[in-house]
Amino acid sequence: EAGVTQSPTHLIKTRGQQATLRCSPISGHTSVYWYQQALGLGLQFLLWYDEGEERNRGNFPPRFSGRQFPNYSSELNVNALELEDSALYLCASSFVQSNTEAFFGQGTRLTVV
Amino acid sequence: GENVEQHPSTLSVQEGDSAVIKCTYSDSASNYFPWYKQELGKRPQLIIDIRSNVGEKKDQRIAVTLNKTAKHFSLHITETQPEDSAVYFCAADSNYQLIWGAGTKLIIKP
Repeated sequence: EAGVTQSPTHLIKTRGQQATLRCSPISGHTSVYWYQQALGLGLQFLLWYDEGEERNRGNFPPRFSGRQFPNYSSELNVNALELEDSALYLCASSFVQSNTEAFFGQGTRLTVV
Repeated sequence: GENVEQHPSTLSVQEGDSAVIKCTYSDSASNYFPWYKQELGKRPQLIIDIRSNVGEKKDQRIAVTLNKTAKHFSLHITETQPEDSAVYFCAADSNYQLIWGAGTKLIIKP
């Protein structure tokens, strides 16, 4: 069974541009979570989608947005990129119940120059 | 909002010694407490978890203890080895989400 997959692996953008990151969850998982991890530090929660709906968002500006498709895959969009948006973006998928394992993708390394 | 605090942020131990990482949580309704390990350049992966109906769980050299009254839980690694070097994250469930600790960088000295 395939794990959580993210694309692209690396992304280089110029300040002010937009970035789109993609995540495919494990088959059967309906929840997708997005995290930002800067410089190998902590996991900063960005967004949570379940059954196509945004369930919660972290303390990030509105230029961070996303959506979840009917097949439960998800996109994270970052508009008006700033240098400090450079980070590893991880998505994780799980069943909707929170007392089950969350599986992470390998991440997208976004570099803003 | 709900919060999970994790200590220490960095832990350096001699190979063969034990390592202990501690977390406290704020949501008294939390029932699930996983620990994830993230090796350099890799994704976080679950290494052990505990649910609130047990106080301790072991898996070879790794153990987790839970004190629901005090709202804290700990990860214990015995006989540390070089491959234990990584960042460890604790988490607690709250409102169908996992609330994450800030991480502990574990360094194993040869």
